[in-house]
Amino acid sequence: GAVVSQHPSRVICKSGTSVKIECRSLDFQATTMFWYRQFPKQSLMLMATSNEGSKATYEQGVEKDKFLINHASLTLSTLTVTSAHPEDSSFYICSAREAGAGTGELFFGEGSRLTVL
Amino acid sequence: GENVEQHPSTLSVQEGDSAVIKCTYSDSASNYFPWYKQELGKRPQLIIDIRSNVGEKKDQRIAVTLNKTAKHFSLHITETQPEDSAVYFCAASSSGNTPLVFGKGTRLSVIA
Repeated sequence: GAVVSQHPSRVICKSGTSVKIECRSLDFQATTMFWYRQFPKQSLMLMATSNEGSKATYEQGVEKDKFLINHASLTLSTLTVTSAHPEDSSFYICSAREAGAGTGELFFGEGSRLTVL
Repeated sequence: GENVEQHPSTLSVQEGDSAVIKCTYSDSASNYFPWYKQELGKRPQLIIDIRSNVGEKKDQRIAVTLNKTAKHFSLHITETQPEDSAVYFCAASSSGNTPLVFGKGTRLSVIA
């Protein structure tokens, strides 16, 4: 199946700093990528939909100025957590479908575990 | 928007028994229903999916059924093994490049 790569897998940062997470589709093009957040023992909650060449669409309750999303190419989307606080500590997972695949399988990155001290 | 409910939240079965997890969805436009298995600290892994044009799909010990009228779908695992222990998530999405909406998950424990 298609491969989605996500980096870093783990990051520890101090409160107030910014952290960037990269999501790459390695063997297919993705006009749209999805960013999910998963707190311990909870489900995956959609944060935003990342659209190549345009602004991301954020879910209700997700601050667009805090979670900056850039989707500058058909294979790369980045999520930057700005001014991170301990409550932002979570497992962040990106996902993507191959462009033009319609309602097809969603491929997930490995996930990034963020710990804010 | 879509809302997916999943039950039970936890499930313990004896090795060799069957496990059934049920989900309901709210959006009649949804037409794609995957099931994911997630082990601790890992990404979700697709184990089986079904589209709205079929009522049942089977892959070895795993099967999924879909009732479009009632808007519910179920995961059936037969002859469970300890390695089946994990958290299972159902999800739903509609046509086009829409995101998956996940259920809250079921923690399955298979007791040897």
